Amino acid sequence: GAVVSQHPSRVICKSGTSVKIECRSLDFQATTMFWYRQFPKKSLMLMATSNEGSKATYEQGVEKDKFLINHASLTLSTLTVTSAHPEDSSFYICSAIFRGVGAYNEQFFGPGTRLTVL
Amino acid sequence: AQKVTQAQTEISVVEKEDVTLDCVYETRDTTYYLFWYKQPPSGELVFLIRRNSFDEQNEISGRYSWNFQKSTSSFNFTITASQVVDSAVYFCALSEGPGNTGKLIFGQGTTLQVKP
Repeated sequence: GAVVSQHPSRVICKSGTSVKIECRSLDFQATTMFWYRQFPKKSLMLMATSNEGSKATYEQGVEKDKFLINHASLTLSTLTVTSAHPEDSSFYICSAIFRGVGAYNEQFFGPGTRLTVL
Repeated sequence: AQKVTQAQTEISVVEKEDVTLDCVYETRDTTYYLFWYKQPPSGELVFLIRRNSFDEQNEISGRYSWNFQKSTSSFNFTITASQVVDSAVYFCALSEGPGNTGKLIFGQGTTLQVKP
């Protein structure tokens, strides 16, 4: 299957700093990427849909000024957690949609980024 | 509204036992997709299966099998002769069509522990 990478895999930062997480589709172009958040022992919650060349669409309850998403190219989406606080500590997972021939568009997940805010 | 329910939070079995993970979903769409993912301790999601709403055939892949029943809105997953390596969190998920935006709604997950 297609490969999606995330960088960094793990980040520890001080409260008040901003952290940028990159999501790349390595061998295909992805017009749509998704960002999910997972708290310990919890499910994955969709945060936003990242569309290449346009503004991201945020799910209800997700602060768009807190979680900045930029999808500047067909292979890269970034999530910036601004002024991070300990409650932002979580596992962030991205996925990318591969729009091939046929009715179904495959979705491939990145390995995740574990953010710890001290 | 769309919803996925995995009522079993944690399951513990002894190696070689069979185990079934339950998944019940809610959707108003007639076209939708159901998935199972495995999440080992490393955190990376491993795709196991996708099923579309028009295909109710059960599927078997090695020790894994899936039972899709639209009448009860269930998509259960059975592991036969479980192994320690099967220990992980398993998620059932739903994606609605026909536009297939790709947005996934995940269940709460079932933590499976297989003891030697």
